[in-house]
Amino acid sequence: DIQMTQSPSSLSASVGDVVTITCRASQDIDNYLVWFQQKPGKAPKSLIYGASTLQNGVPSKFRGSRSGTVFTLTISSLRPEDSATYYCQQYNSHPLTFGGGTKVEI
Amino acid sequence: DVQLVESGGGLVQPGGSLRLSCVGSGFSFRDYAMNWVRQAPGKGLEWVSGVSGSDDSVYYADSVKGRFTISRDISKNTLYLQMNSLRADDSALYYCAKDQFPGTPKPFFFHDWGQGTLVTVSS
Repeated sequence: DIQMTQSPSSLSASVGDVVTITCRASQDIDNYLVWFQQKPGKAPKSLIYGASTLQNGVPSKFRGSRSGTVFTLTISSLRPEDSATYYCQQYNSHPLTFGGGTKVEI
Repeated sequence: DVQLVESGGGLVQPGGSLRLSCVGSGFSFRDYAMNWVRQAPGKGLEWVSGVSGSDDSVYYADSVKGRFTISRDISKNTLYLQMNSLRADDSALYYCAKDQFPGTPKPFFFHDWGQGTLVTVSS
């Protein structure tokens, strides 16, 4: 099974900051990675798929990138509404696996 | 609009069984891979099982293989998860989730989610 190691597990930032969340795959997954945002009491929402393709309607302040087996979600111009837990998920092979999540507090 | 509505959760004793259901609307149910994803209270997301959007192949997480069975009834636009031999660590909110793109040979990633149904395994 492919392990997805996400870091940090939590972070605190201020309005206007830029934050970076990292997800490392235990083996090559090409670009088969998606990033989700989950707010308390809500279902997750897909932000980016294919490692860097923004979902329709998601603001360009969210950016995904890849370097080898390391994937990065960058959130710029942080706003209070960006407070959430962010998860990565690989879909290169089954079983599908998620990272452990990063809680972002503003 | 896509809607996914889960039901069937509840309190069950260890070793017991439950069947979850998910009714989909607003899309062609037969064309999309469908999945169950769970989240234990205060914990992260775990993909549980999925069914292909092209040939009805099924897939399972190692943690549920041999105990859970996924199926769907196209005529009722309904996805099921039969859960047997339930354990305390199966306690979670179970989400039904639809793949983003139609016709995928395997479940990939999830664009639409239901509100979840809570399963509690306890004596």
